[in-house]
Amino acid sequence: GAVVSQHPSWVICKSGTSVKIECRSLDFQATTMFWYRQFPKQSLMLMATSNEGSKATYEQGVEKDKFLINHASLTLSTLTVTSAHPEDSSFYICSARGGQSLVEQYFGPGTRLTVT
Amino acid sequence: QKEVEQDPGPLSVPEGAIVSLNCTYSNSAFQYFMWYRQYSRKGPELLMYTYSSGNKEDGRFTAQVDKSSKYISLFIRDSQPSDSATYLCAMIGNQGGKLIFGQGTELSVKP
Repeated sequence: GAVVSQHPSWVICKSGTSVKIECRSLDFQATTMFWYRQFPKQSLMLMATSNEGSKATYEQGVEKDKFLINHASLTLSTLTVTSAHPEDSSFYICSARGGQSLVEQYFGPGTRLTVT
Repeated sequence: QKEVEQDPGPLSVPEGAIVSLNCTYSNSAFQYFMWYRQYSRKGPELLMYTYSSGNKEDGRFTAQVDKSSKYISLFIRDSQPSDSATYLCAMIGNQGGKLIFGQGTELSVKP
C-alpha cells in the first residue's frame, strides 16, 4: 500500500506556543488530505479536509484559526496548532487519498502532542 | 443515534480462536465498507474493504456485509497474539465525502 509519513512523531510544547505537524505522501500524489484527532480509547474525529491548492474545509466545532491547515502541494499538508493549550494535547493523525478512489485512504503513523 | 455503532469491547480471546467483530449503521447510502486495524499509538492500517453486500476473504480475514440488515462483520480465523489491536469499521457512500468510523473494538489475543 501507499505510504504516508508524519513528522514529528511526538512533540512536547509549552502552553501558548505554536506547533507544526507535517504530513507527506511518499509514493503517490494526494489530491485530498484529512486531519484527524484521536483521544485515548476513542475513535478518530475528523477535523478538516483539504484539497491541494484550496482552503481546508473544517468540521463543525473545529476552530479554523486555531488549527491552521495548508495543503500547498500534492505530497505535503501541514497542521499548525496555534497558541496551544493543555486541552489540545492529543494524537493527531493525517490521511491521504489519491486519484478518484474513495476507499484507498492511507493513514500516517500519527503525532502525539503534549502541551505543558 | 450515531451513524455507525461498534462495541468498544475490550474483547479477549485465546490464541487460535475465531474472532467476530461487528458494526451496525443507519445510513443506507453507504456503499463501501472498510476495516482498519490500529496498533497502540499508531495510525490505522486498511485491512480490507467491500463494496455493497457480500463477502470478501483475504487470508485469515473475512469481511461480510449485509445491507438489508445494515450490519457488517469481520472474522479473524486462527487468531494470533499479533492480531491484538483496535479494529475500526468505516463506511462511505458512492458520492464520496468523509469516512464515517465506528468507535473501534479493542481486541486482545492471549497466547
